[in-house]
Amino acid sequence: GAVVSQHPSRVICKSGTSVKIECRSLDFQATTMFWYRQFPKQSLMLMATSNEGSKATYEQGVEKDKFLINHASLTLSTLTVTSAHPEDSSFYICSARGGGGGFGEKLFFGSGTQLSVL
Amino acid sequence: QKEVEQNSGPLSVPEGAIASLNCTYSDRGSQSFFWYRQYSGKSPELIMFIYSNGDKEDGRFTAQLNKASQYVSLLIRDSQPSDSATYLCAVNSAAGNKLTFGGGTRVLVKP
Repeated sequence: GAVVSQHPSRVICKSGTSVKIECRSLDFQATTMFWYRQFPKQSLMLMATSNEGSKATYEQGVEKDKFLINHASLTLSTLTVTSAHPEDSSFYICSARGGGGGFGEKLFFGSGTQLSVL
Repeated sequence: QKEVEQNSGPLSVPEGAIASLNCTYSDRGSQSFFWYRQYSGKSPELIMFIYSNGDKEDGRFTAQLNKASQYVSLLIRDSQPSDSATYLCAVNSAAGNKLTFGGGTRVLVKP
């Protein structure tokens, strides 16, 4: 099946620093990528939808200036958490949509990034 | 009201028994429905999808959809300890451009 690579898998940073998370589709072109956040024992919450070559669409309540998304190519999207604070500590997961099939059938998830802000 | 609701569990099931998971959704226009399995600290993996009313079987898994009742369920037959995980119900929006996830049901299969 299709592979989505997400790095880093785990990051620990000090409060106030910025963290970049990369999401790559390795064997397919993804015109659309999605970024989710998951707090412990909670579900995945969609943060934003990233379309190649255009501005990301953020969900209500997600600060676009804090969570910068760049989707510069058909295989790479990045999420930068700027000036991270302890409340930003969470599990961040990207997903990429391949072509064909139904929407969810061709939605492939990265392995996730556990962010811990001290 | 949450868009997609699931009982958080845990649902404790003896090995070999049937685990029954339920999910309700609020958007009547939703067209496609998905069940994901997520192990702790890992990303979700798709196990079933269903588009039409009725049952769909795949190995030990059966998904059931009732659009009139806005209800989708997942049955896991012959449950194994390796099935212990959180199961997420996800619904494709009526616009068809994103998935909304339920809170997940934690399943514990005891040997």
